[in-house]
Amino acid sequence: QVQLQESGPGLVKPSETLSLTCAVSGYSISSGYYWGWIRQPPGKGLEWIGSIYHSGSTYYNPSLKSRVTISVDTSKNQFSLKLSSVTAADTAVYYCARQVRGIAVAGTWVDYWGQGTLVTVSS
Amino acid sequence: AIRMTQSPSSLSASTGDRVTITCRASQGISSYLAWYQQKPGKAPKLLIYAASTLQSGVPSRFSGSGSGTDFTLTISCLQSEDFATYYCQQYYSYPITFGQGTRLEIK
Repeated sequence: QVQLQESGPGLVKPSETLSLTCAVSGYSISSGYYWGWIRQPPGKGLEWIGSIYHSGSTYYNPSLKSRVTISVDTSKNQFSLKLSSVTAADTAVYYCARQVRGIAVAGTWVDYWGQGTLVTVSS
Repeated sequence: AIRMTQSPSSLSASTGDRVTITCRASQGISSYLAWYQQKPGKAPKLLIYAASTLQSGVPSRFSGSGSGTDFTLTISCLQSEDFATYYCQQYYSYPITFGQGTRLEIK
């Protein structure tokens, strides 16, 4: 059974960098699939942040691209998110996810989700 | 970016009802559409991908249809555990985008 677990600070100060890690169990990241981050501000909808393939290829949401870095550590079977220069608008539940690529397209859907972790941006 | 618009935004129904939720894409996305169910305080759960393929373990009362720009999610006989928020998501192109959600409430 594939399981994903987010970890990282629950409180980040404005202008600082949000850092989260997703530990994967039950499946080896290096075996395939895409691995990504999706967030959900309190009471609002879902926003895709970005994804990484096990080889290291990345896709980012253009609205966040200048501030986002996603990396993978296959030796630890985990991947990470860094979001710089955060503001209150970045307050959200952050989910890590395993993503399946569509046939003949680059886009992906999510088949496994982490439980989510709330990150609040506040001084 | 492709904009996904769901209707209605909220819906009241009773156990046993048949309900349909619509998702419209701002441009054609073939059948590259997924549906998710989210309950309060929980992560979303995949229901359907490729517009109409039921994810393993999802009850057969859920079904999806459509292609191009117009899609529907149908729940044939509502159960108590189906009251939740539903999201569509296109994966035809990046950035991946979600609909705003449809909240299904008990009447």
